[in-house]
Amino acid sequence: DVKVTQSSRYLVKRTGEKVFLECVQDMDHENMFWYRQDPGLGLRLIYFSYDVKMKEKGDIPEGYSVSREKKERFSLILESASTNQTSMYLCASSFIEEAYEQYFGPGTRLTVT
Amino acid sequence: AQKITQTQPGMFVQEKEAVTLDCTYDTSDQSYGLFWYKQPSSGEMIFLIYQGSYDEQNATEGRYSLNFQKARKSANLVISASQLGDSAMYFCAMREPYTGRRALTFGSGTRLQVQP
Repeated sequence: DVKVTQSSRYLVKRTGEKVFLECVQDMDHENMFWYRQDPGLGLRLIYFSYDVKMKEKGDIPEGYSVSREKKERFSLILESASTNQTSMYLCASSFIEEAYEQYFGPGTRLTVT
Repeated sequence: AQKITQTQPGMFVQEKEAVTLDCTYDTSDQSYGLFWYKQPSSGEMIFLIYQGSYDEQNATEGRYSLNFQKARKSANLVISASQLGDSAMYFCAMREPYTGRRALTFGSGTRLQVQP
């Protein structure tokens, strides 16, 4: 059974804190993604990675960075959390071929106060 | 740039009836993939069905079928015999081609409520 896990389901942080969101997949997928989900906007791509130590910006990378030191792990970092980063964060992974679906983690609901 | 449009923010359907969720897309690529995902209130995203741009037949998976009309750039999801457990958010998404970002572009979603 494919498994994508995220370190926390719920997280509350203060403005200015550094926040780490961890994602681990067990299917040897090449691709990993971080999305942000907000009501009425669907899911928007923050960053993605198609190989270890490789990363590329998505549509809304500002205020975020990522790290992929191992194939199975993809971390999202909020360098200095702000209230407009309060959102649901979803991690996903997939094989590199086009037709394969992305498998999603359960999501982390982050609140920045 | 790719774009996915879901014009129905919310839909109601009676249990056991069929329902169609609309999705239109815009792309200049010839090769692309279209996906539908379900997101129950628990939050996880569940893959439902996939259609490749070169697939000649409409995709089907159990009670789900994808009405793919390439010339009209539409990829509507049809759920037959709705069940109460089908109540959820539904997202249409497009996969960029291999030479692109390999990410999914999502629509804004449709909230489906199945009534007994």
